[in-house]
Amino acid sequence: NAGVTQTPKFRILKIGQSMTLQCTQDMNHNYMYWYRQDPGMGLKLIYYSVGAGITDKGEVPNGYNVSRSTTEDFPLRLELAAPSQTSVYFCASKINRGNTEAFFGQGTRLTVV
Amino acid sequence: AQTVTQSQPEMSVQEAETVTLSCTYDTSESDYYLFWYKQPPSRQMILVIRQEAYKQQNATENRFSVNFQKAAKSFSLKISDSQLGDAAMYFCAYRSAVDSSYKLIFGSGTRLLVRP
Repeated sequence: NAGVTQTPKFRILKIGQSMTLQCTQDMNHNYMYWYRQDPGMGLKLIYYSVGAGITDKGEVPNGYNVSRSTTEDFPLRLELAAPSQTSVYFCASKINRGNTEAFFGQGTRLTVV
Repeated sequence: AQTVTQSQPEMSVQEAETVTLSCTYDTSESDYYLFWYKQPPSRQMILVIRQEAYKQQNATENRFSVNFQKAAKSFSLKISDSQLGDAAMYFCAYRSAVDSSYKLIFGSGTRLLVRP
């Protein structure tokens, strides 16, 4: 049981480039999330999804897009990378029950230069 | 909107001693969950302990326990018999019991150093 898998683990992008951060989970969780963690800060929610075909904005969605075509996958797209998007990105998933925990991937460290 | 505040950027403890990490939060809700997560250098987010707001009894997990003061909106983490492997960033997090997104709201973290 792999849990939540994120790829890549590290990436360096040039300003203006685009890329997709991949996230997949094998626990059949309905809920999936993307958070970013800036240096010295806690995690902030970018986007989340409550099921296939349904996504919604979090606290810091600008500059990102997501899609959820399957239960397993929740990719995060950066269209025009900016230095302000240098961060560590975490994907998480959770089943649809209030008293259960979220499971996190190991994060993607992204540097935009 | 809910907020979570961790006022200690860094704490240090001697191995085998006890340390307490502080967390306060702000909410108008009466039903919610509070969490402590550990983030070692590997970056993995590891759930340490969880508290349901409707439970008066403080949660305990082996060497980890919390002091949950609902009226004061305080949720501190006590680590007993500290070990070198406890060195990490610790994040306090809040989750509403009524918001169906189940999103987590994090504090800024406390770095725990353990001296041998």
